[in-house]
Amino acid sequence: ETGVTQTPRHLVMGMTNKKSLKCEQHLGHNAMYWYKQSAKKPLELMFVYNFKEQTENNSVPSRFSPECPNSSHLFLHLHTLQPEDSALYLCASSQLAPSGEQTQYFGPGTRLLVL
Amino acid sequence: KNEVEQSPQNLTAQEGEFITINCSYSVGISALHWLQQHPGGGIVSLFMLSSGKKKHGRLIATINIQEKHSSLHITASHPRDSAVYICAVGRNTDKLIFGTGTRLQVFP
Repeated sequence: ETGVTQTPRHLVMGMTNKKSLKCEQHLGHNAMYWYKQSAKKPLELMFVYNFKEQTENNSVPSRFSPECPNSSHLFLHLHTLQPEDSALYLCASSQLAPSGEQTQYFGPGTRLLVL
Repeated sequence: KNEVEQSPQNLTAQEGEFITINCSYSVGISALHWLQQHPGGGIVSLFMLSSGKKKHGRLIATINIQEKHSSLHITASHPRDSAVYICAVGRNTDKLIFGTGTRLQVFP
C-alpha cells in the first residue's frame, strides 16, 4: 500500500453514534492533517499534527477528537455529531521543510452522512 | 472576502480547447499550489510554485508575485481533465489557505 489511505470511504451514522475515521500514510512524512470539505466551500483545516504533536486546532467543536499515536497514523473520533457535520473528510500528509514549504498528499476521503 | 479567490467558478469546454483558470490572493505567500480533485474526492497536487512558470505535460502554471495572481492553463483539453481545480497558498507555515475551486467539464 502506498500514499495516503483512509477508512472507511463512506460512513452513515446517527447523531448518538460514536465512530472513528482512520488515516494512514506510507510516505515517511512528519506532518498530518484533517480537513473538512462541504459543498461550495473551501477546504477547511481542522487539525494539524507535526511530529505527532498537535499544532493546530482550528476552532473545531469538541465532538471531533483527533488522535495521532505515531507519525504514520491519524484518527478522527466522532461523537454526537450534527447533520451539518455531513461532509467529505480528507486526510493529508506532508514532509515539512525548514522553510515551511511542503506539498501535501491527500487521501481519498471519507464521505460522512449524519442522520 | 476569501483570501484566495478563483475564477471562473464553473467552466465548460469542448475537447481540444485551451483552458485558463485564474487565482488571485490577498496575502503574502511563500508558495502557491494547484490541486486537482476528481469526482469521488481524491485530491492530487499538480504544482507548487513560488515564481515564474512550471509545465507538466499539457498543464502549465504561472505566477506573478507582484500582481498576486496565478493561472493554470490546460492545452488540448480532454474529457479526462474534467475535475475541480483548487488553488491554495502557503505562508511559511504548515497551513495552506484554499480557494473554493473551479469546476471544469470538458465535453467530447
